[in-house]
Amino acid sequence: DAGVIQSPRHEVTEMGQEVTLRCKPISGHNSLFWYRQTMMRGLELLIYFNNNVPIDDSGMPEDRFSAKMPNASFSTLKIQPSEPRDSAVYFCASSRNSAEAFFGQGTRLTVV
Amino acid sequence: DQQVKQNSPSLSVQEGRISILNCDYTNSMFDYFLWYKKYPAEGPTFLISISSIKDKNEDGRFTVFLNKSAKHLSLHIVPSQPGDSAVYFCAASVIQGAQKLVFGQGTRLTINP
Repeated sequence: DAGVIQSPRHEVTEMGQEVTLRCKPISGHNSLFWYRQTMMRGLELLIYFNNNVPIDDSGMPEDRFSAKMPNASFSTLKIQPSEPRDSAVYFCASSRNSAEAFFGQGTRLTVV
Repeated sequence: DQQVKQNSPSLSVQEGRISILNCDYTNSMFDYFLWYKKYPAEGPTFLISISSIKDKNEDGRFTVFLNKSAKHLSLHIVPSQPGDSAVYFCAASVIQGAQKLVFGQGTRLTINP
């Protein structure tokens, strides 16, 4: 099993541009989570899906952030427009009917 | 409002000795607790967990202790090895309903040879 796959690993973009982060969860997992890690706030949950349906998006900071899961094997997190304060490492994680989530390697986003 | 707190940002331990990492939580609804380990440039990896019906869970060199009355849990690593040097995150969840994890800020453990 390849684990949770995220792309890109690194993204540098200019303020105001649209950014799309991608995630392929582990096959057979029915829950998918997007987390953001910053020095100030640590690891914070942005949104999670269960069976492709968004269950809780209370952690999404603003309307500039959106997430989709069109099928069981793919999810995107989009930021439009991006701002320098969005710079962070974004992790995708998946799990199957348990709290033990498996994390991807993360996408380091830098907005200049 | 930090529901899960790791008050020690860093810890340094001699190789072979015991490492003790601490975590406190405020939400009494949490009933499942986990520890994750994170190396630089990698995602967190699951280490060990404990349900609120237990007060101890052991897996090899790793033991997690839960004190529900104090809302406190700890991770013991013995003996500590250089490969244990990493950032350790405590996490908690409410099993019934949501599966989302609430993480602490992390503790950077350094094992000195």
